[in-house]
Amino acid sequence: DTEVTQTPKHLVMGMTNKKSLKCEQHMGHRAMYWYKQKAKKPPELMFVYSYEKLSINESVPSRFSPECPNSSLLNLHLHALQPEDSALYLCASSLERDLNYGYTFGSGTRLTVV
Amino acid sequence: GDSVTQMEGPVTLSEEACLTINCTYTATGYPSLFWYVQYPGEGLQLLLKATKADDKGSNKGFEATYRKETTSFHLEKGSVQVSDSAVYFCALSDQSGNQFYFGTGTSLTVIP
Repeated sequence: DTEVTQTPKHLVMGMTNKKSLKCEQHMGHRAMYWYKQKAKKPPELMFVYSYEKLSINESVPSRFSPECPNSSLLNLHLHALQPEDSALYLCASSLERDLNYGYTFGSGTRLTVV
Repeated sequence: GDSVTQMEGPVTLSEEACLTINCTYTATGYPSLFWYVQYPGEGLQLLLKATKADDKGSNKGFEATYRKETTSFHLEKGSVQVSDSAVYFCALSDQSGNQFYFGTGTSLTVIP
């Protein structure tokens, strides 16, 4: 299995809703990441988990809350989002925190906040 | 700090034309260099990489050579297909492997 699987693929939520994005990998990777990508822009790093511990939070608003229940799963809990949070949310993993071998990305969740 | 600069798009080519997307970098020491591709509506896929000077990465007919003397990692393909239409991101990981930097992306459209 060489994939990172993200669900759902599309999500529309209201500003008062609570929802979660899910990410799963079975490659034995020990680092997992959340990225946000706006249209026609490169991905922007949000969170880094290494060995299931949060190692980097790139000053992301508290309405985004990550969770890493085990080494294969990564969640992103969403609450009270704003329309400007609409974007493609990408999960990625790497063998270790060392990025010299690059990332494996999932296909993303396209989020629309209404 | 480290950074990646890639050519502005969009780029439009006819099928079977030659492709070059320029990428230059600024980095301390010896970064690893990557090209990622993003097809419409999808996530990013690693296209090729090179981890040391003079290495050539290749995949699906695409090539890029890590040139330390010119701090470049240009993406090339001799004959593009309609299915190559996508956004291409040049990227680097710094010498420590702790930081990753994407270029701004270059949109390629190949017309029949």
